[in-house]
Amino acid sequence: SYVLTQPPSVSLAPGQTARITCEGNKIGSKSVHWYQQKPGQAPVLVVYNDSDRPSGIPERFSGSNSGNTATLTITRVESGDEADYYCHVWHSSDDHLYVIFGGGTKLTVL
Amino acid sequence: EVQLVESGGGEVQPGRPLRLSCEASGFSFDDYGMHWVRQAPGKGLEWVAGISWNSGRIGYADSVKGRATISRDNAKNSLYLQMNGLRAEDTALYYCAKDRGTIFGVYSMDVWGPGTTVIVSS
Repeated sequence: SYVLTQPPSVSLAPGQTARITCEGNKIGSKSVHWYQQKPGQAPVLVVYNDSDRPSGIPERFSGSNSGNTATLTITRVESGDEADYYCHVWHSSDDHLYVIFGGGTKLTVL
Repeated sequence: EVQLVESGGGEVQPGRPLRLSCEASGFSFDDYGMHWVRQAPGKGLEWVAGISWNSGRIGYADSVKGRATISRDNAKNSLYLQMNGLRAEDTALYYCAKDRGTIFGVYSMDVWGPGTTVIVSS
């Protein structure tokens, strides 16, 4: 099976740049999607297809993907960015398709 | 407004069945794939099942394969998840989510419902 590994937590001060990684075997050959989930709320798509932003998502959110690592970057972090972040890819195995989520990263703004 | 609303959750005994529903509005339901994603208390997201726009392609997580059936009724703008043989580890908040595109196996999930809670307990 395909595994996506994320750091459990990232902490930084307001105004800094957060980089949340998602590691997987040759993940650079897949499209990676990122979701933000605030406590008690449903997930929200923040980046799709590695680096595209849905309408309404601030330009501070960006993504990249190469080799074995995809990265969600949040510049000028604000308290409102505190949330869990999940990466997602599709994986094919034995002619079956699976959605794979990373374990999630809790972003704390100090 | 694009909206998904889940229903059918509740407390159920181990081994019993449960059927979840998701009603969609505000978009052309029959143009998009749909998914069920669950989240156990304090845990991360876990994909349960997905279905293409015309039910031609369906996928299940290994954890529910053989116990779950995803289906849709495009005339009713509704998605369903039938779960049989429920186990304690199926306890979770179950989300319905819309695929961003029409091709199964490519896209992200761009709209999520608020979820419905399933508790499996004796």
